[in-house]
Amino acid sequence: DVKVTQSSRYLVKRTGEKVFLECVQDMDHENMFWYRQDPGLGLRLIYFSYDVKMKEKGDIPEGYSVSREKKERFSLILESASTNQTSMYLCASSGNKQPQHFGDGTRLSIL
Amino acid sequence: QKEVEQNSGPLSVPEGAIASLNCTYSDRGSQSFFWYRQYSGKSPELIMFIYSNGDKEDGRFTAQLNKASQYVSLLIRDSQPSDSATYLCAVKTSYDKVIFGPGTSLSVIP
Repeated sequence: DVKVTQSSRYLVKRTGEKVFLECVQDMDHENMFWYRQDPGLGLRLIYFSYDVKMKEKGDIPEGYSVSREKKERFSLILESASTNQTSMYLCASSGNKQPQHFGDGTRLSIL
Repeated sequence: QKEVEQNSGPLSVPEGAIASLNCTYSDRGSQSFFWYRQYSGKSPELIMFIYSNGDKEDGRFTAQLNKASQYVSLLIRDSQPSDSATYLCAVKTSYDKVIFGPGTSLSVIP
């Protein structure tokens, strides 16, 4: 079974803080993704990566950055957290031409 | 026109009935189609994928694909209260991007 592990289920941070969300997959997948999900807005793609040290902007990259130093790990960084970044964050991974599998999600609150 | 659309919910069916969830997509060159189930407060879970026209069955679930009509559906036979969830349709487009639909909320009434 595919295992995608997100470092925290719940996280509370303050505005202006730098926030790191970590994601690790154990299936040697090439592709990794970060989404946020908000009521009424569905899943929105923030960033994705097709290989180590590679990153591509998704639909809503503003205010975020990512890092992929190792194939199994994909980190999402909120450079200076703001209240409108309060959301459920979902990491996913996939092999080439394979479906995406999601981690359990991180519910992030910015106060 | 949105790239992936799903029938608006919520959809309510009685226990034991067939639930029918529909999805249409705009990119005619799309090749891969996925259905995810998402329980409230949880992450999406892959339940079906289909690549070819026709039907694909897995237990109580059947995915149906009609590329000419740009339509994919998910049928759930003998619906159970545990099937109550939001179902997301996802389409891999010709430009290699996966687009998720907004989801349809299903409620199975005991």
